[in-house]
Amino acid sequence: GENVEQHPSTLSVQEGDSAVIKCTYSDSASNYFPWYKQELGKGPQLIIDIRSNVGEKKDQRIAVTLNKTAKHFSLHITETQPEDSAVYFCAASRGRDDKIIFGKGTRLHILP
Amino acid sequence: NAGVMQNPRHLVRRRGQEARLRCSPMKGHSHVYWYRQLPEEGLKFMVYLQKENIIDESGMPKERFSAEFPKEGPSILRIQQVVRGDSAAYFCASSPPGGSGGELFFGEGSRLTVL
Repeated sequence: GENVEQHPSTLSVQEGDSAVIKCTYSDSASNYFPWYKQELGKGPQLIIDIRSNVGEKKDQRIAVTLNKTAKHFSLHITETQPEDSAVYFCAASRGRDDKIIFGKGTRLHILP
Repeated sequence: NAGVMQNPRHLVRRRGQEARLRCSPMKGHSHVYWYRQLPEEGLKFMVYLQKENIIDESGMPKERFSAEFPKEGPSILRIQQVVRGDSAAYFCASSPPGGSGGELFFGEGSRLTVL
């Protein structure tokens, strides 16, 4: 089955700097790669996703890149702000009617 | 439009008791997923259901755990004869018809503590 590895497990970044979180997946049939943000005591929320027919997607300060050949994808957050502090999860799925498998998460701390 | 509703938010059980966690999906959603989250760990897939049908239960422990999503009413995750290792946050998510090819909408979780 699918296995998603995520690094780093913890990341501290000065406010205003960029943060990068990287994930690899094992199932070459996976074609949907979402990223979720989880704040303390809450359920995860989708922040951005990318499908395998696209190499990069951007939404304001957040961007995702996908390298299907190498089976890895990354989340980039620019101009980080205190409210970006949270746990971020990458995930992978084969799409329709398939489960979504999550990485173990990255705890992002934005330092003042 | 109410989001995914989970209850109870917190549940305390003694070893050997049963735990029942309920999840009402978002209106119009027909697919429900259950995930378990241990402290400092990720979201571990447990089971994926449609109404009256289990689509994928490959993440469910073979014993003591069961899930259902009846025609009427919420989805229920049932844990029999709980042990301390079952202590975790259990998250439910739902998606519209078409399944997990898109966004999952998560509830706020049910936190089970086994004494």
